[in-house]
Amino acid sequence: EADIYQTPRYLVIGTGKKITLECSQTMGHDKMYWYQQDPGMELHLIHYSYGVNSTEKGDLSSESTVSRIRTEHFPLTLESARPSHTSQYLCASENDRGSGELFFGEGSRLTVL
Amino acid sequence: AQSVAQPEDQVNVAEGNPLTVKCTYSVSGNPYLFWYVQYPNRGLQFLLKYITGDNLVKGSYGFEAEFNKSQTSFHLKKPSALVSDSALYFCAVIWAGNMLTFGGGTRLMVKP
Repeated sequence: EADIYQTPRYLVIGTGKKITLECSQTMGHDKMYWYQQDPGMELHLIHYSYGVNSTEKGDLSSESTVSRIRTEHFPLTLESARPSHTSQYLCASENDRGSGELFFGEGSRLTVL
Repeated sequence: AQSVAQPEDQVNVAEGNPLTVKCTYSVSGNPYLFWYVQYPNRGLQFLLKYITGDNLVKGSYGFEAEFNKSQTSFHLKKPSALVSDSALYFCAVIWAGNMLTFGGGTRLMVKP
């Protein structure tokens, strides 16, 4: 079992609310990622970080923001949630830059009404 | 252009039969190739990877994958499928210092 945790696992909220999805890992990995997963399965990279104070946008444009103040913590925030944000969000970390071996959390399923 | 492709959205197999989940890539140079599995309501788990060397790579849960450079393929295989193998399978590639890129995924259904 990988030591990477996401909370909440499931969240149902109303439009306009601010939400933060938490992601923490205890493996000391520098590189971390957020993916958005469609109902049709496909994964889209929305944010990544190479380490503390490093954040970059991924391939898919997202209205969410991320921060990396501590190595182990990589939260994702939506300032004003909309129904189009309804999705599964997966956090991952990588044990070595460029290794390709990612450790994933169990995901946060967000539903915006 | 998509760098890694999984041509089948779903693969159906009877328990005990061999299974193959297909993956092709379209990058130059020497790619690193991966397979990940996602069980229902879970995150992805690393299964196996090919970097160099023997073209047949063995991974977790009895899975293996064969790297074929001439066909630019990296198909996932298992000699005898189990119902518990039913899951989503993702092929992925890294090349030339780029980031890991996932294919669109294939749903494997193993029927008893």
